[in-house]
Amino acid sequence: GEQVEQRPPHLSVREGDSAFIICTYTDSATAYFYWYKQEPGAGLQLLMSVFSNVDRKEEQGLTVLLNKKDKRLSLNLTAAHPGDSAVYFCADSGGSNYKLTFGKGTLLTVTP
Amino acid sequence: EAAVTQSPRNKVAVTGGKVTLSCNQTNNHNNMYWYRQDTGHGLRLIHYSYGAGSTEKGDIPDGYKASRPSQENFSLILELATPSQTSVYFCASGDDWGGQDTQYFGPGTRLLVL
Repeated sequence: GEQVEQRPPHLSVREGDSAFIICTYTDSATAYFYWYKQEPGAGLQLLMSVFSNVDRKEEQGLTVLLNKKDKRLSLNLTAAHPGDSAVYFCADSGGSNYKLTFGKGTLLTVTP
Repeated sequence: EAAVTQSPRNKVAVTGGKVTLSCNQTNNHNNMYWYRQDTGHGLRLIHYSYGAGSTEKGDIPDGYKASRPSQENFSLILELATPSQTSVYFCASGDDWGGQDTQYFGPGTRLLVL
């Protein structure tokens, strides 16, 4: 089945710096990709969804890049602030339109 | 208002006891999901449903049952709880739009089985 590897597991940046998270996937038929944010004690909040025909998507300080040749998905948070501290998950639909496969998450800490 | 709610938010159960986790969504989504989250494993799919009356096995269904009595409600049932089922459980609903199923999550239920 589909496998998603996410790195790094932990990331610490200073306020104002960028934070970069990478996921690699195995199923070339994957159609949809997602980034979620989980704050302590809370559920997963959808940040962005990306269809496979998109190479780059930007929204509110977030940039998602999709490299289908290398099967790599990345999230870049520009000008991170302490409120961005959370666990970030990538996920994809694999060859299915319904079942999501998640990466294991990246704990991002933004220090003032 | 929160569109996906879960109850209880915290639960302590004894080994061998029956546990029912409830999920309610007001999104009018057809699809609903139950995941568990464990350190080192991320989120793993237990059961899911395409609509009222349907349940499907996910990747780790052993020891769990699911029930979808209505569009809004989806329950996860542990008939004989074991300590290995101590975890945080998340419910999600999916909007099944445009060929994809963007999932929206509830706040989670923290279950401790003693």
